[in-house]
Amino acid sequence: DVVMTQSPLSLPVTPGEPASISCRSSQSLLNSNGYNYLDWYLQKPGQSPQLLIYLGSNRASGVPDRFSGSGSGTDFTLKISRVEAEDIGVYFCMQALHSPRTFGQGTKLEIK
Amino acid sequence: EVQLLESGGGLVQPGGSLRLSCVASGFPGFSFSTYHMSWVRQAPGEGLEWVSAISDDGRSTYFADPVKGRFVISRDNFKNTLYLYMNSLRADDTAVYYCATYSTTLISKWGAFDYWGQGTLVTVSS
Repeated sequence: DVVMTQSPLSLPVTPGEPASISCRSSQSLLNSNGYNYLDWYLQKPGQSPQLLIYLGSNRASGVPDRFSGSGSGTDFTLKISRVEAEDIGVYFCMQALHSPRTFGQGTKLEIK
Repeated sequence: EVQLLESGGGLVQPGGSLRLSCVASGFPGFSFSTYHMSWVRQAPGEGLEWVSAISDDGRSTYFADPVKGRFVISRDNFKNTLYLYMNSLRADDTAVYYCATYSTTLISKWGAFDYWGQGTLVTVSS
């Protein structure tokens, strides 16, 4: 299975400051169609996961534009331009190119 | 917007069986039969693990290795319901089980998981 490795695992952030989460895959997620099959999810405390970013860099419907995804191949990054209190929770990356789909171990974002 | 409501979780002894259900509803004109569906689980305090998937017409099914041969996925498109039949349950099957829809993009109907239910807890213990 493709191993997804996130860093850091814990991310204390001051509101208004930027935040960045890294996700690396053990195999390339770049398809021959030019798309990177990497998605980002946020699981807020006590809630189900919600989709933030799909195919590497596309924001899901309703996701604020302070969230952005980038990267290609095996290295990906989720950036939050200015963290807000409502952004706390655990962020997961997931690869969708290879079967089975696999998730990173999660990065817990907390407010300082 | 699509709403997914899971049920059927509970406490079961090792070796036992359980059936999970996931009822889908949504905006006017919502058509459950056009969505590929999946089950994803999360052990207590742990990360996410994909479990199983089924195509929109129910003809194609897929399973993660840890559950292959023990779990069965099916759907009833007339009832807008997804099922997961869990047999020979083990302690390491203990988790919250979420159903989720695959999003449809220009390139695939097997996109990201765009809608998730609230989950149902399965506890396997004697």
